[in-house]
Order: sequence, then C-alpha cells, then structure tokens
Amino acid sequence: DQQVKQNSPSLSVQEGRISILNCDYTNSMFDYFLWYKKYPAEGPTFLISISSIKDKNEDGRFTVFLNKSAKHLSLHIVPSQPGDSAVYFCAAENQGGKLIFGQGTELSVKP
Amino acid sequence: SAVISQKPSRDICQRGTSLTIQCQVDSQVTMMFWYRQQPGQSLTLIATANQGSEATYESGFVIDKFPISRPNLTFSTLTVSNMSPEDSSIYLCSTNGLADTEQFFGPGTRLTVL
Repeated sequence: DQQVKQNSPSLSVQEGRISILNCDYTNSMFDYFLWYKKYPAEGPTFLISISSIKDKNEDGRFTVFLNKSAKHLSLHIVPSQPGDSAVYFCAAENQGGKLIFGQGTELSVKP
Repeated sequence: SAVISQKPSRDICQRGTSLTIQCQVDSQVTMMFWYRQQPGQSLTLIATANQGSEATYESGFVIDKFPISRPNLTFSTLTVSNMSPEDSSIYLCSTNGLADTEQFFGPGTRLTVL
C-alpha cells in the first residue's frame, strides 16, 4: 500500500524555466509534508516542508503547494538551475512522527 | 543541522555473511532511524533506534535479521544478518533536527550481496 506516490520517475526542464514536481498521498491524517533532494552517493537533504494547515510555503526559489482536498502537493523550483539536477523525494509525516516517502522523481535541468 | 557519518560507505559481501553499519552523529540526538532504499524504490523505514532500550521495528522487519544497537545518544549500529542478494540496498541512518518536521540523513551505505 503506497501511501505517498510520485508518479513521474523523471522530469527534464530547461535552465531558467520552472520545474514542477508532483506528489499524491492517500492518508488525510498526515501532519507535515517534506521534500528532500538527493544527489548520487549522498544521503537525502531536507529542502522544504509544509504543515497540513497551510496551503503554501515559500523559501527562495522553492515553493511547496498543498491541496488537501485533492491530497496533492507540488514543489515548484523557479528559476531552475543545472545544480538542481537530483532525485527529489516527497515525504509525509504521520501522527507518530514517522516519515513515509514517495518513490522519488529524478529532475534533470539542462543548460 | 546534525552532521551524520556512516561506515562503511559501501561493501560487497557474500551470501550468508553479516555486515554491521555504523552511524555517528556529531551531537546528542533523541531519535535515530534506519532506512533502506532498494534499487528504484522509495526510502523505507526499518526501525527506530532507541537509546537504552530495544529498537522499534516496522512491519516487515525483524530484530533477528536487522539487529540494532544504540549505546549512547550519538551512535548506532545496524547489522544486516545472513545476507542474501535481496538485501542489496542503500542503508541510511537518520535523525531528527531541532524541529521535529526535519530529518537529517547520513550519506548511506551501499551494500551489494553476491
């Protein structure tokens, strides 16, 4: 039972354009949602989070949107840079404080 | 943020052997976690390493296969016992940040079982 899903395994974007990474979840009781970035041979790095009581959180070039009715969140990166090329994981935190991860989306930003 | 190191960074092991992975955090932390990322899969929580008591395992993971130690607030080990090729994965140690909404991860240990 995959509670957090990232249906796009990969995404390719031109430098300077917007990258939109999507994530769907099934459990309406999740408290927080987080995005992680992972480079090869490194552990995931925390990027940005959003509380379930909010619908938007912005940090520099990164904005996360939460649509609770649709059980959907998205990460927007604008403008995209080649250094943003990595695997992005969406994660949801349940009421027990445990993280449940999506499968990841590999973003490639081309110069 | 916490700085987490893991040893070894990678290993190639024979079927039936065991490997112990070490995780060191640069500060005292309450919670430490062990995750597995199988090829092409998401990160899956194996267990929560509790200091001073037995680890709490997630569904599908058992202590006999993945014994965990947590002797103090900065260190933990995960052993992958009686390995089979299906155990080939990246194993990651993690801990909470100051905000419970954050988790920080070690660089991972890439295990290949032949």
